[in-house]
Amino acid sequence: NAGVTQTPKFRVLKTGQSMTLLCAQDMNHEYMYWYRQDPGMGLRLIHYSVGEGTTAKGEVPDGYNVSRLKKQNFLLGLESAAPSQTSVYFCASRGLAGEGFFGPGTRLTVL
Amino acid sequence: RKEVEQDPGPFNVPEGATVAFNCTYSNSASQSFFWYRQDCRKEPKLLMSVYSSGNEDGRFTAQLNRASQYISLLIRDSKLSDSATYLCVVNKGVNNAGNMLTFGGGTRLMVKP
Repeated sequence: NAGVTQTPKFRVLKTGQSMTLLCAQDMNHEYMYWYRQDPGMGLRLIHYSVGEGTTAKGEVPDGYNVSRLKKQNFLLGLESAAPSQTSVYFCASRGLAGEGFFGPGTRLTVL
Repeated sequence: RKEVEQDPGPFNVPEGATVAFNCTYSNSASQSFFWYRQDCRKEPKLLMSVYSSGNEDGRFTAQLNRASQYISLLIRDSKLSDSATYLCVVNKGVNNAGNMLTFGGGTRLMVKP
């Protein structure tokens, strides 16, 4: 039981490049989330999904897109990366009691 | 005003000390409450859930006051390994789509020998 995994762990992009972050969970959770964490800002919700085939915007969705084609996977895409998207990205899934289980994070730098 | 507010600290305490963290939340419809621990450059990990009756897990005690919309975490007999950032987390009610977890900014604890 791996819990929540994320790939890649690190990435450096140039402004304007695109990439996809992959999150996978093996706990059969319906709800999944993408957060970003910046120094002094805490964790902020980007997008979330309440089940396969559904997605919704969170607090800071601009510049990101997501897809949930399979229940176990939640993808976060950056179509045209900007330096303001330099951050640590965490994926999470929600357990039955409402608690979140987090992946190890992806450290993204946009130059 | 932030939805979940915490004193950022840092709290610098000696080993063996008792330390308490507080957290306030603004959404009275919130239904679930948690404390998470986050080590430097790591993901948040669930420390404990917080129940209305209060709950204890070893050296850790969590309290919830719904009337005051206030959550606390007490750590007794602090260890060096308790040094971390402690995040207060609130799950909005079931009527809120996605049951989003809302995080406080975290309180940093440093336990010194």
